[in-house]
Parts: sequence; C-alpha cells; structure tokens
Amino acid sequence: DGGITQSPKYLFRKEGQNVTLSCEQNLNHDAMYWYRQDPGQGLRLIYYSQIVNDFQKGDIAEGYSVSREKKESFPLTVTSAQKNPTAFYLCASLSPGRTPYNEQFFGPGTRLTVL
Amino acid sequence: AQKITQTQPGMFVQEKEAVTLDCTYDTSDPSYGLFWYKQPSSGEMIFLIYQGSYDQQNATEGRYSLNFQKARKSANLVISASQLGDSAMYFCAMREVYSSASKIIFGSGTRLSIRP
Repeated sequence: DGGITQSPKYLFRKEGQNVTLSCEQNLNHDAMYWYRQDPGQGLRLIYYSQIVNDFQKGDIAEGYSVSREKKESFPLTVTSAQKNPTAFYLCASLSPGRTPYNEQFFGPGTRLTVL
Repeated sequence: AQKITQTQPGMFVQEKEAVTLDCTYDTSDPSYGLFWYKQPSSGEMIFLIYQGSYDQQNATEGRYSLNFQKARKSANLVISASQLGDSAMYFCAMREVYSSASKIIFGSGTRLSIRP
C-alpha cells in the first residue's frame, strides 16, 4: 500500500539536544511538507520541498532544518535553537501536477516532548 | 498573501442535526483549491472534500457538502445528519496554483462535539 510513514510515533528529548524526525513516502510525490501543530491549534508550515535537493522555508522555520536528498525522504531536524519544540509534527506529500486539485496525503504524525 | 480563517473555535451539535462549519479565505490567485480535513483525537488527518475555484457546482461527498460562495470568499462545510463519530477537529485549507504552487495553508480549526 502506498502512503507516508513517520517515525517514531512518540519522541522524548532533553533540552539542548538536536533530534531528527523521519518521513518516508512511496507515493512517488515530488512535493513534501512538514507542519507543526500545538494543542488545540491549526497546522503551521515549517518547511516544504517541491523537488529533490530543493526546499523552502515555511512560516515557522526558525530552529528547524531539513534535507531532501531522495525523493522518498524528507527528514526534519529540530535543533536546540528551537525555543519550544514540544508539539505534534505532521509530514505530508502532494500528488504531482499544477492543478488546483492535488490532494495532500498525511503521515500519522510524531509527538515530540522536551523534558 | 493567502489566508484562511475559521472563526468558530468550538461547536456543540445534537446528534442527527445538520451542522455548518465556517471558512473564509483570501487570495489573489485566480486558480485555487479549497479542502476540508477531519482530525480525530488520534491525530491523523482525514481528507473530506475538495472545491476548485472554477467548479460551477458545490462539491458533495456523502454527508459532506461544501457551500462555496466565491464572491464572498467563503467555503463552509456542511455535515448532514451528524453522528457521534463526527466529533473531531475540522480544518479548512487552501492551495494556490500560480503564486505558491506547492504551498498549502490551514485555518486554525473548529472543534466539533456531537451530543447524543
């Protein structure tokens, strides 16, 4: 079955440590995204990538970094510079084509808690 | 710049009643798509319905319909005959085709609670 996997489901980190969240898709999608969701809030865009080896900052990129070395993978690193990293992180991908209708597929998410 | 606004943080509805969740948007792109997603407490994002800016008719998917009023820039989700399983967060989202082709933004969401 095609889809998006995120690992781990739950992640605990000590203050001052960097941590990397995994996102893998086998949908052959070019575009991939990372969103952050705080309790009771909407999704805020961190980074997105339209093709391999290219990515753009979203609305809240400070304290985060990404890479896109392979089409299938878009890992997110939460650095120690991120002041309040405890949140739910969602990865998504977008079906190809420059049309209004391109459904965005989501992974199951990773809950990051900073201790 | 694209913007999505959901003004209802929370709603309570009696089971079997219809409910309308509001969504307004702002864009200067003539071609765009509007989406609604459901997020249960598990956190997964479930796609519900889509409306394109050039679609002549309002979108429908089973019990979900989208009341699209282009001149008012609104795209309200209507759920008919609500069920207990409809209790969840609901998000409106928008994608512009030309100005930011791959960027999709979300509203702040509405928490819907269905009373038995």
